[in-house]
Amino acid sequence: EVQLLESGGDLVQPGGSLRLSCAASGFTFSSYVMSWVRQAPGKGLEWVSLINTAGGTLHAGSVRGRFTISRDNSKNTLFLQMNSLTDEDTAVYYCVRGDKRAGWNSWGQGTLVTVSS
Amino acid sequence: QSVLTQPPSASGTPGQRVTISCSGSTSNIGSNTVFWYQQLPGTAPKLLVSSTNQRPSGVPDRFSGSKSGTSASLAISGLQSEDEADYSCAAWDDSLNGYVFGAGTKVTVL
Repeated sequence: EVQLLESGGDLVQPGGSLRLSCAASGFTFSSYVMSWVRQAPGKGLEWVSLINTAGGTLHAGSVRGRFTISRDNSKNTLFLQMNSLTDEDTAVYYCVRGDKRAGWNSWGQGTLVTVSS
Repeated sequence: QSVLTQPPSASGTPGQRVTISCSGSTSNIGSNTVFWYQQLPGTAPKLLVSSTNQRPSGVPDRFSGSKSGTSASLAISGLQSEDEADYSCAAWDDSLNGYVFGAGTKVTVL
């Protein structure tokens, strides 16, 4: 069974940093494109970042230069390093597996990031 | 403001057919597969169907997806109470080099 388990969400002050993790199991992690998708309270879904199987990365314009996605295939873990956080980054962050051809067919349960003073 | 445009709400009575639209442009819907996600209250989204009408195992065939030009549609036939949820469309955007979403459509079963 595919499982994605996010952790690291917390309350952080504006301007602060946070690192999210996603532990993957039940599939060959290194063979899949992985992404982070977020959802602000009461709002729609927003794609944040993507990392392909070769380690290439893409980030949404709203987080480019502040967020960095990475992966450790030896530990089956996906990361999201978030710097210079603002209140607009407050959201539930989901770890997702999939790509533009197959869609995101596996989602984690999400981890809440709250940016507030 | 979302790149893809969806109606904020849709409704129907049990057994009815409900259709949700998703409008975009040539760089997203016009060039790539559209995926629909269902989000039940308090839960993570779930992949429902694609614009080529591919469904993950376990998704009832009451849910169907289609696309024409720069618009896509999700149809729910034989509406059931458990279909009350938010439905979002998403696609890759070749110009933005990233994924784009609709704002979501809340389906209510009357």
